[in-house]
Amino acid sequence: GENVEQHPSTLSVQEGDSAVIKCTYSDSASNYFPWYKQELGKGPQLIIDIRSNVGEKKDQRIAVTLNKTAKHFSLHITETQPEDSAVYFCAASSGGGTSYGKLTFGQGTILTVHP
Amino acid sequence: GAVVSQHPSRVICKSGTSVKIECRSLDFQATTMFWYRQFPKQSLMLMATSNEGSKATYEQGVEKDKFLINHASLTLSTLTVTSAHPEDSSFYICSARTQGASNEQFFGPGTRLTVL
Repeated sequence: GENVEQHPSTLSVQEGDSAVIKCTYSDSASNYFPWYKQELGKGPQLIIDIRSNVGEKKDQRIAVTLNKTAKHFSLHITETQPEDSAVYFCAASSGGGTSYGKLTFGQGTILTVHP
Repeated sequence: GAVVSQHPSRVICKSGTSVKIECRSLDFQATTMFWYRQFPKQSLMLMATSNEGSKATYEQGVEKDKFLINHASLTLSTLTVTSAHPEDSSFYICSARTQGASNEQFFGPGTRLTVL
């Protein structure tokens, strides 16, 4: 099955700096890669996603890049703000069929943005 | 759009009792719903995949007789933790996937289960 590795496990930055979180996946059939932000005691919230036919996607301060050959994808947050502090998870999915698009999650990154 | 709700948000029960958690897609039809368990400071672990009108598919190591899943309609799935024990205490999260080719899942707010 799919295996997703996420690094770093913790990331501390100053407000205004950039933050980068990286993930690798093992299943070459995976074609959907979402990123989630989870605040304490809440469910994950989708912040951005990318599909395998695209190399990069950007939404304001957030961007994701995908390298299919190397099987890794990254989350980039620019101009970080204290409210960006949360746990971030990457995930990978290999689509429908018998898996029904189930997601395999990375281990999570605790991002702390210091004012 | 694409809102998923869970009820209850928090439940405390005695060991040996059963607890039912509801997951609803409020503004879309979910052909597939997923149930996850998350222990403190850990990632989400998929427990089972639930398809409307059919039996749930459980991940390896998840006891289907202990975690009963029912997906009776396109907007509701339930997870029942039977004969709960303290080790079942966890954060349970559901997600719903819309019809069609998109893999996007929408997550509920989670249910905190504490078994005394």
